[in-house]
Amino acid sequence: DARVTQTPRHKVTEMGQEVTMRCQPILGHNTVFWYRQTMMQGLELLAYFRNRAPLDDSGMPKDRFSAEMPDATLATLKIQPSEPRDSAVYFCASGLPPSGPSYEQYFGPGTRLTVT
Amino acid sequence: AQKVTQAQTEISVVEKEDVTLDCVYETRDTTYYLFWYKQPPSGELVFLIRRNSFDEQNEISGRYSWNFQKSTSSFNFTITASQVVDSAVYFCALSEGGTGRRALTFGSGTRLQVQP
Repeated sequence: DARVTQTPRHKVTEMGQEVTMRCQPILGHNTVFWYRQTMMQGLELLAYFRNRAPLDDSGMPKDRFSAEMPDATLATLKIQPSEPRDSAVYFCASGLPPSGPSYEQYFGPGTRLTVT
Repeated sequence: AQKVTQAQTEISVVEKEDVTLDCVYETRDTTYYLFWYKQPPSGELVFLIRRNSFDEQNEISGRYSWNFQKSTSSFNFTITASQVVDSAVYFCALSEGGTGRRALTFGSGTRLQVQP
């Protein structure tokens, strides 16, 4: 049963600390997305990659957030320094190539981040 | 710009009632995809259905059915004979087709409470 995995599932940290969230996409999926869910903003796109190259990171605060795909099996989202307003659930999703006949995004379980 | 509107913030029904969740979308693209996701209290996002813009056939899957109408830019979701396990937040989402941007634009969600 192929799934997107995310670690950690929960993270509590103090303001100013660095936070790294990891995602393992489904094998064979070449498109990876990072979304953030908050009560105020709902679900919003932070960044996405295709074949490990960033295609859109316009949703990310560039001064403190960074997203990378060191290899095809790992995507990372880093916040440095973290702030209380970054508290949210961060979802990773992966999907099949755009040219494929089927295009669904499958979501990981999310990382619930609390910054105090 | 794309936009998805779910005007119903919260719906409460009694078990066995039928319920329809509304979704209205806006896009300038001629090719696009529409989705429904379910977010149960556990927090994960579960893919339910994808519909292509060129396929207006309605779809039924067990107790779930979807009505896609391009003329009114709507993609409504009906649950027949609702059950307590259907209690969740349901999100409608939209993405571009072709080789364009594939990130999802989500609606604000409809919280469905099914009372026993």
